[in-house]
Amino acid sequence: AQSVTQLDSQVPVFEEAPVELRCNYSSSVSVYLFWYVQYPNQGLQLLLKYLSGSTLVESINGFEAEFNKSQTSFHLRKPSVHISDTAEYFCAVSLPYNTDKLIFGTGTRLQVFP
Amino acid sequence: DVKVTQSSRYLVKRTGEKVFLECVQDMDHENMFWYRQDPGLGLRLIYFSYDVKMKEKGDIPEGYSVSREKKERFSLILESASTNQTSMYLCASSPTRGLAGGTDTQYFGPGTRLTVL
Repeated sequence: AQSVTQLDSQVPVFEEAPVELRCNYSSSVSVYLFWYVQYPNQGLQLLLKYLSGSTLVESINGFEAEFNKSQTSFHLRKPSVHISDTAEYFCAVSLPYNTDKLIFGTGTRLQVFP
Repeated sequence: DVKVTQSSRYLVKRTGEKVFLECVQDMDHENMFWYRQDPGLGLRLIYFSYDVKMKEKGDIPEGYSVSREKKERFSLILESASTNQTSMYLCASSPTRGLAGGTDTQYFGPGTRLTVL
């Protein structure tokens, strides 16, 4: 069975500082990897995903994540955060042959302070 | 623009009541999902549907049922609400998987925060 671990439930950071949100997964087979973001009082939105190819994937708002197969990780990074990045971030995996079923981590609340 | 709507943002019900949560998507997606979101537990899949009148159990189906009579609408039913069903409920939809097996993004509604007293 697959599982996803988000090691940090909360990450406080000052504006313009760099941030890394950690995600590790467990699976005996290859997986697809996702980061979703949930802004306050909203549903989840896809931030970025890794299916194959380049291990570094980027979002349109400056976040990036790197797939590391040997460490079974898919950490999310941003070199300089904004107040508007305050949100909850969920890492998720799916199996290539069962792509409709997402398995989510427990989430990391990123709080950006001025 | 992609849109998934849920009938209520906030709902308060009493123990033992029958509760209907409605979800509508306007993207002609085949797949629809119901999750519940709880602090420290993330999102857990309750039920999903690949097509009209089709349903499959997710990870935590106990105490819930679903109905999909039309492609665009997926309802979650709590036959007899209990306090441990107090939660945020999220609906999502996605188009059919491609032949290449590439996954499709799930699009989420804004959620319904249900409180059972």
